[in-house]
Amino acid sequence: GAGVSQTPSNKVTEKGKYVELRCDPISGHTALYWYRQSLGQGPEFLIYFQGTGAADDSGLPNDRFFAVRPEGSVSTLKIQRTERGDSAVYLCASSLTPVPTGRREAFFGQGTRLTVV
Amino acid sequence: AQKITQTQPGMFVQEKEAVTLDCTYDTSDPSYGLFWYKQPSSGEMIFLIYQGSYDQQNATEGRYSLNFQKARKSANLVISASQLGDSAMYFCAMREGFPNRDDKIIFGKGTRLHILP
Repeated sequence: GAGVSQTPSNKVTEKGKYVELRCDPISGHTALYWYRQSLGQGPEFLIYFQGTGAADDSGLPNDRFFAVRPEGSVSTLKIQRTERGDSAVYLCASSLTPVPTGRREAFFGQGTRLTVV
Repeated sequence: AQKITQTQPGMFVQEKEAVTLDCTYDTSDPSYGLFWYKQPSSGEMIFLIYQGSYDQQNATEGRYSLNFQKARKSANLVISASQLGDSAMYFCAMREGFPNRDDKIIFGKGTRLHILP
C-alpha cells in the first residue's frame, strides 16, 4: 500500500479482555516500530522489529504486551487482560534499514485508539 | 534518564515570525540521527527534517532548518515565516547505534506550537 495502515482505527474493549492491533507497513520496509501515545505526550517506544525478529522490546511495559511479525511484514500487537491504564493511541511506524548516515525516516500510520472501559 | 528533552511545553508565535523549538539530547554513541516530526490535531505524524551526527552542515528542508550544535548536544528546529498551518505538536526524536546495530527511534515529550493570526 501507499502508507502504513493500522487496523482497527478505534477499539473499545472491556477491562480484562484480550485485544489485537494490526499494522501493515510500507512494502519493503524492514524496520517496524510500535509506540504508545497518551494525550498530550510524546510517543512512548514499545518494541522494534528488524525483519521478523524483535530487535528491541525493552519498551513493553509488562508481560501482558506481546508483538509478532512472523513474515517480516505485517505486525500484530497483542494485549492480554487489558486494564484501563492501557487506554491510549497505539502508533505503528516503518522505515527502510538506515544507511550509514542514519537517514531513514520512519513513516507512521494513523494509529489505533484503544479505550478500555 | 531522559534521552530527548524538549523544555518548552507550549509556545505562542505571531504569524510570519520565525520560531525556534528547543531540543537537547543525551547519547554516548558517536553515530546517531536526529529527527523532527509534526503532529497536527488530526493525529498524523509528519516527518519534517533529519540531521545525522556526522553531517557537516545543518539540515534544511524548505522553511525548516535544524540548528545542530553537536558539542552542546542541541538540535533546535527553526521554522521561518510561520504560518497558521504550523500550529501543531512538534516532536524531536533520536536514533542511535547505526550502522553497526539498528536501533529504535525515541521521542521527546513535544512542544505545542500555536501560531496567532
